[in-house]
This record gives sequence, C-alpha cells and structure tokens, in this order.
Amino acid sequence: SSELTQDPAVSVALGQTVRITCQGDSLRTYSANWYQQRPGQAPVLVIYGENNRPSGIPDRFSGSTSGNTASLTITGAQAGDEADYYCNSRDSSGVVFGGGTKLTVL
Amino acid sequence: EVQLLESGGGLVQPGGSLRLSCAASGFTFTSYAMTWVRQAPGKGLEWVSTISGSGASTYYADSVKGRFTISRDNSKNTLYLQMNSLRAEDTAVYHCAKDLVGTPAFDIWGQGTTVTVSS
Repeated sequence: SSELTQDPAVSVALGQTVRITCQGDSLRTYSANWYQQRPGQAPVLVIYGENNRPSGIPDRFSGSTSGNTASLTITGAQAGDEADYYCNSRDSSGVVFGGGTKLTVL
Repeated sequence: EVQLLESGGGLVQPGGSLRLSCAASGFTFTSYAMTWVRQAPGKGLEWVSTISGSGASTYYADSVKGRFTISRDNSKNTLYLQMNSLRAEDTAVYHCAKDLVGTPAFDIWGQGTTVTVSS
C-alpha cells in the first residue's frame, strides 16, 4: 500500500498563517481529506475532496493540492487550532492516513 | 443529532477474540458506507476496514485481513467488527466513522472503544 508523509510537528504564531503538508503518490490520483484531533477527542473532518469544508468549519481552513502534495492552510491561527492534523486519501488497496502533524500555536 | 456510539472493547489475551459494536442514530444508516479506524496509544490514525451501505462490499487493511470481519445490521442501525487472533499490536482505541458518499472522508466519528491485548 502507498504512504502519506507529514511533518511530525509545525508551529505558528498566534494570528499568523500556517501550511501543513501531506505527500504521497496516491494524491496524484485521489483527493486528500484533513482531520483535526484535539487531545482526548475523536477526529473532526475539516477539509474533504481537496478543498471543501463541512458545515461548521470556519473558512480559515482551506485545502489545495499540487502534484503529489496536499496542503492544509490555516489563516489567522487561533489557540484553539492547536491539535494534531491528519490527512487521508484512497489508495490502491483501500484507505491510507498520514502520520499526523502536531500543530503548536505560539 | 447524528451520533455514533461504540461498545465492546476490553482486555483480551493474545490469540483471543472480541466483537465491537457501533450504534448509529440521527441519519439514514443504510445510505452510507461505514468504517473502523484505530489509534494505538500515542500513535496516529490507521484505517482498519470499510463496509458499503448494503453490506455487500467489504474492504480491509492488510494488517487485519483474514483476522477481522466487518459487518452491519441495517435493521438495528449497528456496525460490527469481529476481531479474532488478536495480537499485542492490535491494542488501540477503535473508532467507527460514517463515510461521506463516494469518498473516504469520514464526517462523523464515535468517541471510540479501547481494546487492550495483553497477557
């Protein structure tokens, strides 16, 4: 099965913009989805189908893809955005998740 | 309110079996594929298995193929995961999740049930 690679940790200053990336061959064919997981909580879908937001997700969250790399951009980061972020997509044998990125808001 | 509630986790010895359940409410259960995702302690998310809305099609991660069986009872709005030949590396929180139609995007998640495989 294919893999999705994420940076283990990223930091951003309060109010600034941060980009979290996800790299993998499956992204050349399939769209990426993004999840936010706060400590002790279930994941929450924040972006699907590359750049669609579920109801209730603020427009500060956006997604994009270029080649084999998908990106989640958070504009005007808030303290509440501090969490783990995971990408996923379909792959040849089912579904694959990235290893996750821990976002710290300074 | 759309809700998923897992149950059935616990402590089991290596080689043992366990059946997880996921009770769904607040949406038309039969219209959606459903998925199990697990998270080992301190680790990331891992896709385990998906079943179509009718139950006719099932998909498994290589790590569980031949040991786990996903099923659903649409008359009871309930998803199941039968886990056999359990190993220490199966220790994790198991979440059930609802699929968005036509995508592996999971828009509703349960809080999870903990499975510990240890002697």
